[in-house]
Amino acid sequence: AQKITQTQPGMFVQEKEAVTLDCTYDTSDPSYGLFWYKQPSSGEMIFLIYQGSYDQQNATEGRYSLNFQKARKSANLVISASQLGDSAMYFCAMREGNYGQNFVFGPGTRLSVLP
Amino acid sequence: DTGVSQDPRHKITKRGQNVTFRCDPISEHNRLYWYRQTLGQGPEFLTYFQNEAQLEKSRLLSDRFSAERPKGSFSTLEIQRTEQGDSAMYLCASSARDRGTSTDTQYFGPGTRLTVL
Repeated sequence: AQKITQTQPGMFVQEKEAVTLDCTYDTSDPSYGLFWYKQPSSGEMIFLIYQGSYDQQNATEGRYSLNFQKARKSANLVISASQLGDSAMYFCAMREGNYGQNFVFGPGTRLSVLP
Repeated sequence: DTGVSQDPRHKITKRGQNVTFRCDPISEHNRLYWYRQTLGQGPEFLTYFQNEAQLEKSRLLSDRFSAERPKGSFSTLEIQRTEQGDSAMYLCASSARDRGTSTDTQYFGPGTRLTVL
C-alpha cells in the first residue's frame, strides 16, 4: 500500500492566487515527520516545510503553510500569492519513527502558475 | 555556506560499462543518503550512511550497486555493468539532527542524471 498519496498529478493556478496541494499519508507509528519539497525543472529538491506529528500548530514558512489534519492523516501544502517561479513539481514525504532513516516520497504534483 | 554537491551532473554511458558518482554533503552533516528518481516519480531510497557506516540498504540496491563513504565525508555510488533500466536521476541528500527541534531534515544535491544507451 502506498504510504504517501498525492491525488493531483497536475494543478494550475493564476499568478497571485493561493493554491492547495493535497497529501495524505498512512502510518501506524505515532511519531513521524512530514515534509514538502519543490523540484524545479533543474532537478534539485528544495526543502520547503516540515511538520512533526506531535506539533500542535500548523507549520508556516513565508508563503508556505502546511494544513495538518492528523485525524484525517492529511498534510496539505498551501502556497499563498503564487508566483511564476513556483511552477515546479511538489513532493510530499514522510519519515516514520522518531528518527527514521529514510524518507518515503509521494508521486508528486506538477504545479503550473499562469500569468 | 555550501549545500550538497554532486558530480558529474550528467553521465551518458554504454550498456555494460561501470560508472561512479560522487556526493559531497553539507560539512557538518553526519548522515548521507542516496536516492534514485525515474521520470515522473518521486525519489526512491537506495542507501543510508551515518558517518562512515552504511546502516541501511534498499532492496532496489542490487549486487551491481555499491556505495561507500570511506572517511565519513564524501560518498561514492558505483554501478557496475550498467543496464538501460539504470537510467535515472541519482540524488544525494545529507542531514543532521537539530537538537532544538529533534527534526532531521534532508537537504538534497542537484543530482546526477544517468543515461545508459
